[in-house]
Amino acid sequence: DGGITQSPKYLFRKEGQNVTLSCEQNLNHDAMYWYRQDPGQGLRLIYYSQIVNDFQKGDIAEGYSVSREKKESFPLTVTSAQKNPTAFYLCASSAPGQGASPLHFGNGTRLTVT
Amino acid sequence: DQQVKQNSPSLSVQEGRISILNCDYTNSMFDYFLWYKKYPAEGPTFLISISSIKDKNEDGRFTVFLNKSAKHLSLHIVPSQPGDSAVYFCAASDGNQFYFGTGTSLTVIP
Repeated sequence: DGGITQSPKYLFRKEGQNVTLSCEQNLNHDAMYWYRQDPGQGLRLIYYSQIVNDFQKGDIAEGYSVSREKKESFPLTVTSAQKNPTAFYLCASSAPGQGASPLHFGNGTRLTVT
Repeated sequence: DQQVKQNSPSLSVQEGRISILNCDYTNSMFDYFLWYKKYPAEGPTFLISISSIKDKNEDGRFTVFLNKSAKHLSLHIVPSQPGDSAVYFCAASDGNQFYFGTGTSLTVIP
């Protein structure tokens, strides 16, 4: 079964600690994305990558970092510099020719920082 | 600035009737539009899409209409079923990024 796997589903961290969220896909998609969802808000783009070893900042990249060493994997690190890290994080991917190809989402990771 | 807007946070419809969800956008460079359905604590599921060269796309009970002159998109669900109760997001793409609205929570009353 092809899809996107995000792990873990729930994550708890103390303030001041960095934390890395995992995202793996076996859809052979070139493009991968990280979004954040907060209550009452839409999905906001954190980072995206259209090809291995390349990525671009989205609208709310401050306090986050990513890497894209493999096509299948796009981990997101939430650093201690992120002022409000508690949120629901969604990873997505899309096929080549992404302009006419939908995003496919994982089931998300709920991060709580106290 | 929000480039994709869903101005109705919620909508309630009787089972069997039509649900109409609306979406407006501001960027004329958007050429691909999508609707997603989302349950709590899950990722959005792709429902239906439309290219900017079309004005209507239909898939079973779901139909998306695009009015480019008005920069308006709508999703029609006919007939509505209780299992359709979820949050619906519209999205638009400029070929590079995808931009999402804030969602409309649909409740279908049995």
